[in-house]
Amino acid sequence: GAVVSQHPSWVICKSGTSVKIECRSLDFQATTMFWYRQFPKQSLMLMATSNEGSKATYEQGVEKDKFLINHASLTLSTLTVTSAHPEDSSFYICSARVGQREGSSYEQYFGPGTRLTVT
Amino acid sequence: AQSVTQLDSHVSVSEGTPVLLRCNYSSSYSPSLFWYVQHPNKGLQLLLKYTSAATLVKGINGFEAEFKKSETSFHLTKPSAHMSDAAEYFCVVSIGDDKIIFGKGTRLHILP
Repeated sequence: GAVVSQHPSWVICKSGTSVKIECRSLDFQATTMFWYRQFPKQSLMLMATSNEGSKATYEQGVEKDKFLINHASLTLSTLTVTSAHPEDSSFYICSARVGQREGSSYEQYFGPGTRLTVT
Repeated sequence: AQSVTQLDSHVSVSEGTPVLLRCNYSSSYSPSLFWYVQHPNKGLQLLLKYTSAATLVKGINGFEAEFKKSETSFHLTKPSAHMSDAAEYFCVVSIGDDKIIFGKGTRLHILP
């Protein structure tokens, strides 16, 4: 099946520094990738939709200058948390959409997530 | 507007007994519906999906779900719970565009 990887799986950084998280589709090409954030004991919140070769579309309330998303190839999207602060500590999950839409049958495959802790 | 509601934030069952996790959706169009499982500090794993074919969908690990349009429901069931089933379960709906909507999740506890 379709596999999505994320790197790193966990990261600890100091307040004010920037952190880059990579999301890769390992055995398929993903024209669209999504970035989610999950707070403890809560559901996932969509942060942005990333299409290869174009600017990401951010959800309302998500600071695009703080959460930089790049989708430079069909198998790689990156999320950079700039000038991280403790409130940015969270579990970040990416997903990639597989194949072409057939009726309403497409689905997303999720990466394993990245735990970010900002001290 | 589309939405998905998971009716229980926590469900506890004894090992070997049936599991029922409830999910209702709201949609003006024919939805695609999914159930995902998330183990602690892990990513999401697809359990099963409904995409307008058979209304009873079988997934991995013995789980299944039935799409009931008249009740706008897509409840997840398993005949016999196993300790390894303890996790967070998310009902997800996809309607008409690229975005998907997550339910708030149901934490499944398995009692020995």
